[in-house]
Amino acid sequence: KAGVTQTPRYLIKTRGQQVTLSCSPISGHRSVSWYQQTPGQGLQFLFEYFSETQRNKGNFPGRFSGRQFSNSRSEMNVSTLELGDSALYLCASSLAGYGYTFGSGTRLTVV
Amino acid sequence: DQQVKQNSPSLSVQEGRISILNCDYTNSMFDYFLWYKKYPAEGPTFLISISSIKDKNEDGRFTVFLNKSAKHLSLHIVPSQPGDSAVYFCAADDVSTGTASKLTFGTGTRLQVTL
Repeated sequence: KAGVTQTPRYLIKTRGQQVTLSCSPISGHRSVSWYQQTPGQGLQFLFEYFSETQRNKGNFPGRFSGRQFSNSRSEMNVSTLELGDSALYLCASSLAGYGYTFGSGTRLTVV
Repeated sequence: DQQVKQNSPSLSVQEGRISILNCDYTNSMFDYFLWYKKYPAEGPTFLISISSIKDKNEDGRFTVFLNKSAKHLSLHIVPSQPGDSAVYFCAADDVSTGTASKLTFGTGTRLQVTL
């Protein structure tokens, strides 16, 4: 079966812009989590959605937001981009909240 | 505050020998631990997990040991193979909420298996 698909793979944005990243989970998976990976901080949890509801949230500013659609696809949005938002953004999906499978990520560069 | 720590950024092991990757945690609420492997330009791949009710879990060449009193876990790979060369992440969660969806990751250890 198809894995977790993240689009786009690479993105370059300018400071102050906003960006939307997309994640299609494995078919049947209802939980989607998002992580940010940077060289200095490693992998940090952003938020998790289950059945269109945000179930968990990490310690990121309100500029980072997300949503989940009825087909379990998820998007995350970052507004007013800062240079420090440059990172690999990873999405992971799970059937019920255990054993997450990760996508290959979206590499965001803010210039 | 780094709640999950991998103090060795890198490790080099000869093919066929044992690789031991270590991880320490500070949050006593963590009761579910996982190891992920990551190749460049790919997302992390789940390797093995362990619940706090156990002190050992094996899956083929991979064994995870958990020492709750020391808040320490380790991943043993025996025998090590060149294809094991990757970055290994330790992760932890408190599953009392019923899910393991909010993983706290360590900063990773880069394993290189040499011929």
